[in-house]
Amino acid sequence: DIVMTQSPDSLAVSLGERATINCKSSQNIFYSFNNKNHLSWYQQKPGQPPKLLIYWASTRESGVPDRFSGSGSETDFTLTINSLQAEDVAVYYCQQYYGIPYTFGQGTKLQIK
Amino acid sequence: QVQLRQSGPGLLKPSQTLSLTCAISGDSVSSDSVAWNWIRQSPSRGLEWLGRTYYRSKWFNDYAVSVKSRITINPDTSKNQFSLQLNSVTPEDTAVYYCVRGAPLDYWGQGTLVTVSS
Repeated sequence: DIVMTQSPDSLAVSLGERATINCKSSQNIFYSFNNKNHLSWYQQKPGQPPKLLIYWASTRESGVPDRFSGSGSETDFTLTINSLQAEDVAVYYCQQYYGIPYTFGQGTKLQIK
Repeated sequence: QVQLRQSGPGLLKPSQTLSLTCAISGDSVSSDSVAWNWIRQSPSRGLEWLGRTYYRSKWFNDYAVSVKSRITINPDTSKNQFSLQLNSVTPEDTAVYYCVRGAPLDYWGQGTLVTVSS
């Protein structure tokens, strides 16, 4: 199985500042047949299912604010949240869909400082 | 707009069978461009993919090794839904279960808390 490891486990950032979450996969999840990284990011708030934010490592899902961005390739990926808002408090997960079983990172809890 | 609506019991005793159904609106279980997944979430195991069903001229299933001997995911084309069966449950199967379209996993059901307790 592909192991996804996120860092840090928790993060406190001031309103209006930038938050950065990292995700590392245990193997390359770039698929040459479609030239894409099979990596997505999700946001989960208490009592809700995860919500898709970013897919193909850097494509923002429709309706997601442009302060959310994804970057990286092969084994190292980053989710950046610019100008942090109060409603961004949540747990964030990365997930690979390169191979079965799909696997998730352990989550990063984002709070306001 | 795709919506997934889950149904099924939330309390089971050890050794019983977990059965959940996911009704799809706004898409078709027989779509040849997506797959239909079951994922669960617990504090001890995090988010865990359990399996999927999908149609590509015929039906296919994939299952996680951890549950492969106990799990069945079935499509129901007449009702445009798919189901999860997990046999011989134990307290370790206590989790919130989600049905999800994808990947990427773009539409999620509302989640069902399943508790296994004697």
